[in-house]
Amino acid sequence: KNEVEQSPQNLTAQEGEFITINCSYSVGISALHWLQQHPGGGIVSLFMLSSGKKKHGRLIATINIQEKHSSLHITASHPRDSAVYICAVKAAGNKLTFGGGTRVLVKP
Amino acid sequence: DTGVSQDPRHKITKRGQNVTFRCDPISEHNRLYWYRQTLGQGPEFLTYFQNEAQLEKSRLLSDRFSAERPKGSFSTLEIQRTEQGDSAMYLCASSWAPVAGLRETQYFGPGTRLLVL
Repeated sequence: KNEVEQSPQNLTAQEGEFITINCSYSVGISALHWLQQHPGGGIVSLFMLSSGKKKHGRLIATINIQEKHSSLHITASHPRDSAVYICAVKAAGNKLTFGGGTRVLVKP
Repeated sequence: DTGVSQDPRHKITKRGQNVTFRCDPISEHNRLYWYRQTLGQGPEFLTYFQNEAQLEKSRLLSDRFSAERPKGSFSTLEIQRTEQGDSAMYLCASSWAPVAGLRETQYFGPGTRLLVL
Protein backbone atom coordinates (compact mmCIF):
# COMPACT_ATOMS: atom_id res chain seq x y z
CA LYS A 1 0.00 0.00 0.00
CA ASN A 2 1.38 3.40 -0.97
CA GLU A 3 2.02 5.87 1.82
CA VAL A 4 -0.05 8.49 -0.03
CA GLU A 5 -3.26 7.56 -1.81
CA GLN A 6 -5.34 9.91 -3.93
CA SER A 7 -8.87 9.54 -5.21
CA PRO A 8 -10.24 9.65 -7.74
CA GLN A 9 -7.49 8.92 -10.25
CA ASN A 10 -9.42 10.67 -12.99
CA LEU A 11 -12.21 13.20 -12.81
CA THR A 12 -14.25 14.87 -15.52
CA ALA A 13 -16.45 17.85 -14.68
CA GLN A 14 -18.54 20.39 -16.52
CA GLU A 15 -17.50 24.01 -16.29
CA GLY A 16 -18.89 25.56 -13.13
CA GLU A 17 -19.08 22.34 -11.13
CA PHE A 18 -17.61 21.91 -7.66
CA ILE A 19 -14.69 19.46 -7.63
CA THR A 20 -13.24 17.55 -4.69
CA ILE A 21 -10.01 15.55 -4.70
CA ASN A 22 -9.07 13.41 -1.71
CA CYS A 23 -5.72 12.44 -0.26
CA SER A 24 -5.11 9.89 2.50
CA TYR A 25 -1.76 9.11 4.01
CA SER A 26 -0.53 6.48 6.42
CA VAL A 27 2.43 8.11 8.19
CA GLY A 28 2.89 10.96 10.61
CA ILE A 29 3.64 14.14 8.73
CA SER A 30 4.90 17.64 9.38
CA ALA A 31 3.25 19.14 6.31
CA LEU A 32 1.08 18.26 3.34
CA HIS A 33 1.37 19.90 -0.07
CA TRP A 34 -1.05 20.19 -2.95
CA LEU A 35 0.62 20.63 -6.31
CA GLN A 36 -0.68 21.27 -9.81
CA GLN A 37 0.98 19.80 -12.88
CA HIS A 38 0.06 20.92 -16.37
CA PRO A 39 0.77 18.97 -19.57
CA GLY A 40 4.45 19.34 -20.35
CA GLY A 41 5.51 18.67 -16.80
CA GLY A 42 5.70 21.98 -14.92
CA ILE A 43 4.67 21.65 -11.27
CA VAL A 44 3.31 24.53 -9.24
CA SER A 45 2.86 24.45 -5.49
CA LEU A 46 -0.70 25.38 -4.57
CA PHE A 47 -0.84 24.91 -0.80
CA MET A 48 1.24 23.76 2.13
CA LEU A 49 -0.84 22.70 5.12
CA SER A 50 -0.15 21.41 8.59
CA SER A 51 -3.61 21.98 10.05
CA GLY A 52 -7.02 23.41 9.29
CA LYS A 53 -7.92 25.02 6.03
CA LYS A 54 -6.45 27.37 3.44
CA LYS A 55 -8.14 29.24 0.61
CA HIS A 56 -6.69 30.85 -2.47
CA GLY A 57 -9.10 32.16 -5.03
CA ARG A 58 -11.36 29.31 -6.09
CA LEU A 59 -9.17 26.69 -4.44
CA ILE A 60 -9.69 25.43 -0.90
CA ALA A 61 -7.52 22.87 0.89
CA THR A 62 -8.37 21.19 4.16
CA ILE A 63 -6.53 18.73 6.34
CA ASN A 64 -7.58 16.50 9.23
CA ILE A 65 -4.43 15.39 11.01
CA GLN A 66 -6.23 12.87 13.24
CA GLU A 67 -7.83 11.14 10.27
CA LYS A 68 -4.70 11.51 8.08
CA HIS A 69 -6.80 12.98 5.30
CA SER A 70 -6.79 16.09 3.14
CA SER A 71 -9.08 17.41 0.45
CA LEU A 72 -8.61 19.91 -2.34
CA HIS A 73 -11.74 21.64 -3.57
CA ILE A 74 -12.15 23.67 -6.73
CA THR A 75 -15.20 25.90 -6.77
CA ALA A 76 -16.79 27.12 -10.01
CA SER A 77 -14.42 24.96 -12.06
CA HIS A 78 -13.09 26.27 -15.37
CA PRO A 79 -11.42 24.52 -18.30
CA ARG A 80 -8.11 26.15 -17.36
CA ASP A 81 -8.26 24.14 -14.11
CA SER A 82 -7.65 21.01 -16.21
CA ALA A 83 -4.41 19.54 -14.90
CA VAL A 84 -3.05 16.79 -12.69
CA TYR A 85 -3.36 17.57 -8.99
CA ILE A 86 -0.81 15.88 -6.75
CA CYS A 87 -0.80 15.47 -3.00
CA ALA A 88 2.60 15.19 -1.30
CA VAL A 89 3.54 14.75 2.35
CA LYS A 90 6.65 15.53 4.30
CA ALA A 91 7.25 12.85 6.92
CA ALA A 92 10.67 12.03 8.38
CA GLY A 93 13.52 13.94 6.81
CA ASN A 94 13.06 16.60 4.22
CA LYS A 95 11.90 14.60 1.20
CA LEU A 96 8.37 14.68 -0.14
CA THR A 97 6.38 11.50 -0.75
CA PHE A 98 3.87 11.94 -3.55
CA GLY A 99 0.50 10.47 -4.36
CA GLY A 100 -0.19 9.20 -7.84
CA GLY A 101 -2.06 12.31 -8.87
CA THR A 102 -5.63 13.04 -9.93
CA ARG A 103 -6.15 13.93 -13.57
CA VAL A 104 -8.86 16.59 -13.80
CA LEU A 105 -10.59 17.54 -17.03
CA VAL A 106 -13.06 20.40 -17.00
CA LYS A 107 -15.23 20.57 -20.09
CA PRO A 108 -16.69 23.86 -21.33
CA ASP B 1 15.37 35.40 -11.41
CA THR B 2 12.58 33.53 -13.13
CA GLY B 3 12.57 30.34 -11.10
CA VAL B 4 14.15 26.92 -11.31
CA SER B 5 15.54 26.03 -14.72
CA GLN B 6 16.56 22.68 -16.11
CA ASP B 7 18.59 21.76 -19.14
CA PRO B 8 18.00 20.05 -21.46
CA ARG B 9 14.21 19.92 -21.54
CA HIS B 10 14.25 16.76 -23.64
CA LYS B 11 16.88 14.10 -24.18
CA ILE B 12 16.76 11.04 -26.42
CA THR B 13 19.61 8.60 -26.02
CA LYS B 14 20.50 5.05 -26.88
CA ARG B 15 20.73 2.37 -24.25
CA GLY B 16 24.19 2.23 -22.73
CA GLN B 17 25.00 5.90 -23.25
CA ASN B 18 25.68 8.32 -20.41
CA VAL B 19 23.52 11.41 -19.93
CA THR B 20 23.88 14.46 -17.71
CA PHE B 21 21.17 16.88 -16.67
CA ARG B 22 21.60 20.30 -15.11
CA CYS B 23 19.42 22.16 -12.64
CA ASP B 24 19.79 25.82 -11.74
CA PRO B 25 17.81 26.59 -8.58
CA ILE B 26 16.41 29.90 -7.47
CA SER B 27 19.53 31.82 -6.54
CA GLU B 28 19.15 32.18 -2.77
CA HIS B 29 17.79 28.69 -2.18
CA ASN B 30 19.94 26.40 -0.08
CA ARG B 31 18.11 23.14 -0.71
CA LEU B 32 17.92 21.33 -4.02
CA TYR B 33 15.95 18.16 -4.73
CA TRP B 34 15.90 15.67 -7.59
CA TYR B 35 12.79 13.62 -8.35
CA ARG B 36 11.87 11.13 -11.06
CA GLN B 37 8.40 10.82 -12.53
CA THR B 38 7.30 8.02 -14.82
CA LEU B 39 4.25 8.33 -17.06
CA GLY B 40 1.00 8.43 -15.15
CA GLN B 41 2.66 8.33 -11.74
CA GLY B 42 3.49 10.86 -9.10
CA PRO B 43 7.12 11.96 -8.67
CA GLU B 44 9.51 9.87 -6.58
CA PHE B 45 12.29 11.29 -4.48
CA LEU B 46 15.85 10.60 -5.65
CA THR B 47 18.17 12.80 -3.62
CA TYR B 48 18.58 16.20 -2.04
CA PHE B 49 21.31 18.68 -1.19
CA GLN B 50 21.62 21.27 1.49
CA ASN B 51 24.12 23.71 0.06
CA GLU B 52 26.81 21.46 -1.42
CA ALA B 53 26.22 18.51 0.90
CA GLN B 54 24.19 15.56 -0.39
CA LEU B 55 22.16 14.68 2.68
CA GLU B 56 19.84 11.92 1.54
CA LYS B 57 19.70 9.42 -1.31
CA SER B 58 16.82 7.15 -2.20
CA ARG B 59 17.46 3.47 -2.76
CA LEU B 60 16.02 4.19 -6.21
CA LEU B 61 19.33 5.90 -6.93
CA SER B 62 21.40 2.97 -8.16
CA ASP B 63 25.16 3.15 -8.56
CA ARG B 64 24.62 4.25 -12.16
CA PHE B 65 23.19 7.53 -10.88
CA SER B 66 25.28 10.30 -9.39
CA ALA B 67 24.37 13.81 -8.41
CA GLU B 68 26.56 16.73 -7.50
CA ARG B 69 26.16 20.29 -6.34
CA PRO B 70 29.79 21.37 -6.18
CA LYS B 71 29.42 25.02 -5.21
CA GLY B 72 26.04 24.86 -3.58
CA SER B 73 24.38 26.49 -6.57
CA PHE B 74 23.58 24.46 -9.71
CA SER B 75 23.38 20.69 -9.61
CA THR B 76 23.99 17.92 -12.13
CA LEU B 77 22.44 14.49 -12.29
CA GLU B 78 24.34 11.91 -14.33
CA ILE B 79 23.07 8.54 -15.42
CA GLN B 80 25.68 6.10 -16.66
CA ARG B 81 24.98 3.16 -18.96
CA THR B 82 21.35 4.19 -19.43
CA GLU B 83 18.65 1.53 -19.54
CA GLN B 84 15.19 1.72 -21.06
CA GLY B 85 13.75 1.73 -17.56
CA ASP B 86 15.46 5.07 -16.94
CA SER B 87 13.02 6.74 -19.34
CA ALA B 88 11.15 9.28 -17.22
CA MET B 89 10.79 12.95 -16.40
CA TYR B 90 13.54 14.13 -14.08
CA LEU B 91 12.38 17.02 -11.93
CA CYS B 92 14.45 19.41 -9.89
CA ALA B 93 13.10 21.56 -7.07
CA SER B 94 14.67 24.10 -4.77
CA SER B 95 13.72 25.70 -1.51
CA TRP B 96 14.92 28.09 1.15
CA ALA B 97 15.07 26.49 4.59
CA PRO B 98 17.30 28.51 6.91
CA VAL B 99 16.33 26.57 10.02
CA ALA B 100 16.24 22.79 10.45
CA GLY B 101 12.67 21.56 10.70
CA LEU B 102 11.20 24.67 9.12
CA ARG B 103 8.52 23.79 6.64
CA GLU B 104 9.53 25.08 3.27
CA THR B 105 7.84 25.41 -0.10
CA GLN B 106 9.62 23.64 -2.92
CA TYR B 107 9.69 25.35 -6.29
CA PHE B 108 9.85 22.98 -9.22
CA GLY B 109 11.64 23.27 -12.52
CA PRO B 110 10.04 22.28 -15.84
CA GLY B 111 11.77 18.90 -15.85
CA THR B 112 13.98 17.02 -18.27
CA ARG B 113 12.18 14.31 -20.20
CA LEU B 114 14.49 11.39 -20.94
CA LEU B 115 13.77 8.70 -23.51
CA VAL B 116 16.15 5.77 -23.70
CA LEU B 117 15.83 3.79 -26.92
